[in-house]
Amino acid sequence: EPEVTQTPSHQVTQMGQEVILRCVPISNHLYFYWYRQILGQKVEFLVSFYNNEISEKSEIFDDQFSVERPDGSNFTLKIRSTKLEDSAMYFCASSPLRGEAFFGQGTRLTVV
Amino acid sequence: LAKTTQPISMDSYEGQEVNITCSHNNIATNDYITWYQQFPSQGPRFIIQGYKTKVTNEVASLFIPADRKSSTLSLPRVSLSDTAVYYCLGLYGGSQGNLIFGKGTKLSVKP
Repeated sequence: EPEVTQTPSHQVTQMGQEVILRCVPISNHLYFYWYRQILGQKVEFLVSFYNNEISEKSEIFDDQFSVERPDGSNFTLKIRSTKLEDSAMYFCASSPLRGEAFFGQGTRLTVV
Repeated sequence: LAKTTQPISMDSYEGQEVNITCSHNNIATNDYITWYQQFPSQGPRFIIQGYKTKVTNEVASLFIPADRKSSTLSLPRVSLSDTAVYYCLGLYGGSQGNLIFGKGTKLSVKP
């Protein structure tokens, strides 16, 4: 069964450093998303991406965040200058034109 | 998107049928009711989706009454591996879109 793949599974970074979280969505999917989940809290929407541009973003997705689809297969989330409160599980998801979203296993980001 | 309300937690025993009810009083005409499951340290996983009446797949059944103000996810004969958080969401058009998760229902299945 096709799946969304995320790397790395766990990333530890120092406050103020830039991080890039990587995702390989399911190949024929057209919509891509990033969500995050702070430990013990609910899953929060960050951004959706379609046709090579951001289609919607939440209040969380401020200027410190950016997304890219650099090569037609990878989908990345960059956090420019990490803060302690950015520590969370980050989930990538993708969906076809019609149908449910498929989530990856997540990247656990720890900012120290 | 519909605001949904569900119990924070539920307990069950192996082999029992579990019914999780979700309230969505302000559901819009174009919203579909969608349920996701999340195991610890994993991403959410789609379970089932419906608009009204009853939908059944190999995992669960979903009952939506005519007024669509609530829905019930039914898990037949649960096992320990069904211990997870279950989320009820309203999804516009039942298709791609930004999923707004609530706190979900934490189901604990005991032996």
